[in-house]
Amino acid sequence: AQTVTQSQPEMSVQEAETVTLSCTYDTSENNYYLFWYKQPPSRQMILVIRQEAYKQQNATENRFSVNFQKAAKSFSLKISDSQLGDTAMYFCAFMKRPQKLVFGQGTRLTINP
Amino acid sequence: GAVVSQHPSWVICKSGTSVKIECRSLDFQATTMFWYRQFPKQSLMLMATSNEGSKATYEQGVEKDKFLINHASLTLSTLTVTSAHPEDSSFYICSASRPGEFASPLHFGNGTRLTVT
Repeated sequence: AQTVTQSQPEMSVQEAETVTLSCTYDTSENNYYLFWYKQPPSRQMILVIRQEAYKQQNATENRFSVNFQKAAKSFSLKISDSQLGDTAMYFCAFMKRPQKLVFGQGTRLTINP
Repeated sequence: GAVVSQHPSWVICKSGTSVKIECRSLDFQATTMFWYRQFPKQSLMLMATSNEGSKATYEQGVEKDKFLINHASLTLSTLTVTSAHPEDSSFYICSASRPGEFASPLHFGNGTRLTVT
């Protein structure tokens, strides 16, 4: 079974700073997908970024980027120039066919003004 | 805009009653939908996979007779919590993917907060 571990229950940084959220996972699969989701107080799940395991290049979406280390089974999220609106719960998730997502425990990120 | 609609957003029911939660894909046909449960300050746990026209597939430890799932059409899946008890109080979220979007992020509903008194 796949497991996803987020070792940082809470993090807090000042606005405009850079923050990195960690995520490790365990799987015997070779082809899979990894995601970071954001869940603001509204509880709506919002996709932040995704990574395909067969791609070595790290995914980037504007201020969000990942450091994907397949051999180490590590998938960290870096948020640059953090903004107040980035305050939310962040979940790392693993997916293989048939589209089942396995979520980590989540990291509560607070951006302070 | 939202592509998956979930209703109701919140519901309060008495112990012993049943409550139905709807999940609709708004602009695409979803042969598969997923139901998650989220306890306060915890992660999302997959409860079951809802398959259009066939029985749902439940995750280990989820009582299929308590959490009835019906996927009668390509745009609607329902989750019915039967004989609800206070421990069933939780946040329930559905998700769906567009056909052909294997690696899609899955589109999530806004969730339903269930409180059983």
